[in-house]
Amino acid sequence: AQSVTQLDSQVPVFEEAPVELRCNYSSSVSVYLFWYVQYPNQGLQLLLKYLSGSTLVKGINGFEAEFNKSQTSFHLRKPSVHISDTAEYFCAVSGTGANNLFFGTGTRLTVIP
Amino acid sequence: GAVVSQHPSRVICKSGTSVKIECRSLDFQATTMFWYRQFPKQSLMLMATSNEGSKATYEQGVEKDKFLINHASLTLSTLTVTSAHPEDSSFYICSAIPGGGTNYGYTFGSGTRLTVV
Repeated sequence: AQSVTQLDSQVPVFEEAPVELRCNYSSSVSVYLFWYVQYPNQGLQLLLKYLSGSTLVKGINGFEAEFNKSQTSFHLRKPSVHISDTAEYFCAVSGTGANNLFFGTGTRLTVIP
Repeated sequence: GAVVSQHPSRVICKSGTSVKIECRSLDFQATTMFWYRQFPKQSLMLMATSNEGSKATYEQGVEKDKFLINHASLTLSTLTVTSAHPEDSSFYICSAIPGGGTNYGYTFGSGTRLTVV
């Protein structure tokens, strides 16, 4: 089985500052990794995903993430955040041979004007 | 892109009644859909995997008789919360996999806020 740990439950950051949201995973098999964003009372929107190949993945809204197999991490970064980035961010993992997605507990990103 | 429509977005019901939530894939066929439950300020908990034409697979601890899942077509899965109680109040989200493989990513519905009074 897979599991995901998001160490930071809340991350406040000033507007236009860089941000990193941390994600570590555990799995005994090869994995696919995902980052999702959730705005209040809405479903989840895919930001980016790692399937294979280049370890640096670029997604929507200026976000990127780097897959580090040795550290079993998939941290999400953005060089300059906007007020509109305020939301809940979820890291998720699935085994390459399975359908189930396992979510982390989420990180609440608050961008301060 | 792939779109999953979930309806209703918000529902309030009386304790003891049943509520049906629909999840539709609008522009693709989904042999498998997933139902999640999200408590306030918490992560998503997978409740069950819905398979078209067969019985759903429930996660441990999820009551099959309380949360009835029907996946009668390739574009529609329904979740019925039977004899709802206040503790069933939650945010329910469905998802599907366009193309049938996880490498395509998962598309999520917009969620249903259920309040049982």
